[in-house]
Amino acid sequence: TQLLEQSPQFLSIQEGENLTVYCNSSSVFSSLQWYRQEPGEGPVLLVTVVTGGEVKKLKRLTFQFGDARKDSSLHITAAQPGDTGLYLCAGKSNFGNEKLTFGTGTRLTIIP
Amino acid sequence: DAGITQSPRHKVTETGTPVTLRCHQTENHRYMYWYRQDPGHGLRLIHYSYGVKDTDKGEVSDGYSVSRSKTEDFLLTLESATSSQTSVYFCAGADYDEQYFGPGTRLTVT
Repeated sequence: TQLLEQSPQFLSIQEGENLTVYCNSSSVFSSLQWYRQEPGEGPVLLVTVVTGGEVKKLKRLTFQFGDARKDSSLHITAAQPGDTGLYLCAGKSNFGNEKLTFGTGTRLTIIP
Repeated sequence: DAGITQSPRHKVTETGTPVTLRCHQTENHRYMYWYRQDPGHGLRLIHYSYGVKDTDKGEVSDGYSVSRSKTEDFLLTLESATSSQTSVYFCAGADYDEQYFGPGTRLTVT
């Protein structure tokens, strides 16, 4: 079974601060996705990274896939209250099936 | 965007009763999934489908069954509900990498 551990599990910071969330595994993934989930709703895809070492930017969010494709990070610059939510990473196996393994989640709260 | 809908949205049931949750999609996704979400566990895959009448087990499939008789509908059945199955259940559809999720069903087993 492939496992994805996210850290920290909870993070509460002031508006305007920077933060990084980590997603780690001992398994190699063919691709890795980040989702954000708001209360009472299902997760929504933010980004997919495919190549080892790949960096993608989405406004103030920067996503990086580890060189060995076992880990990923999400960095938020100048956090805003609208960034509040549950962030989930999800890895797609190298074995060609269409299943995702989801991480344990990071619950982020941005204090105005 | 109401591509994936789930019903009911909330349900309270008693231990030992059968329960069926419905997922309906309008996007013609080939793949459909059922997950449960519990604190500290993220999303865990229960069952998934890769086509009409083609289904397979996920990592937490014990006590659950699924059926997909047509592309649009994916049903999750708890054969005899237990308190450990109290959770929020999400359905998702996909064609390639991105999964599109429904709004969830909150199930409480008393």
